[in-house]
Amino acid sequence: DSGVTQTPKHLITATGQRVTLRCSPRSGDLSVYWYQQSLDQGLQFLIQYYNGEERAKGNILERFSAQQFPDLHSELNLSSLELGDSALYFCASSAAGGIGADTQYFGPGTRLTVL
Amino acid sequence: SQQGEEDPQALSIQEGENATMNCSYKTSINNLQWYRQNSGRGLVHLILIRSNEREKHSGRLRVTLDTSKKSSSLLITASRAADTASYFCATDNEGSSASKIIFGSGTRLSIRP
Repeated sequence: DSGVTQTPKHLITATGQRVTLRCSPRSGDLSVYWYQQSLDQGLQFLIQYYNGEERAKGNILERFSAQQFPDLHSELNLSSLELGDSALYFCASSAAGGIGADTQYFGPGTRLTVL
Repeated sequence: SQQGEEDPQALSIQEGENATMNCSYKTSINNLQWYRQNSGRGLVHLILIRSNEREKHSGRLRVTLDTSKKSSSLLITASRAADTASYFCATDNEGSSASKIIFGSGTRLSIRP
């Protein structure tokens, strides 16, 4: 158990809909990262937040947005969903803000299926 | 685009044998990390090697880094069935104020009993 929790574990929705994925980092970790893992694209870094502020941005679509709240939990919002958005979405946390410089602890993921 | 590319894509070995996976990357890095992922589960951090290090050990794992060749290898000695998983390298690009970690496509390792 990494200490990172993600909800829900599974999500099935229809094209055009909007969903919110939630992540609670390990106690004491200030950074939260979001990743998308699909069969054809592999593991893609989406975005990082550090202590409530956006720190780094990866391959995140404009239809997607995220935020980190004062209690450090984070939410990833996916809107106007397309079939291609079906994937595993992982959240990870780390103690510091230097992306890649310290160990990231991954949550169990949310499996999103868009029908 | 992928920064780290693992080689081979898939590897099947007998239990007890050693497994070697390689990772190549394109641009200068601050550090390189190896992660393991069991099917459908979250990634688990294995080891981090910094750009000024050449070799690092952790239990049955040995990681090397050759910055001149922009490559790293992960060696798992005396493999066990529980080592069956996908292994990813991840690089942190040097010199970017908004640097991001980039994962390779992974090596799927299968250990035959």
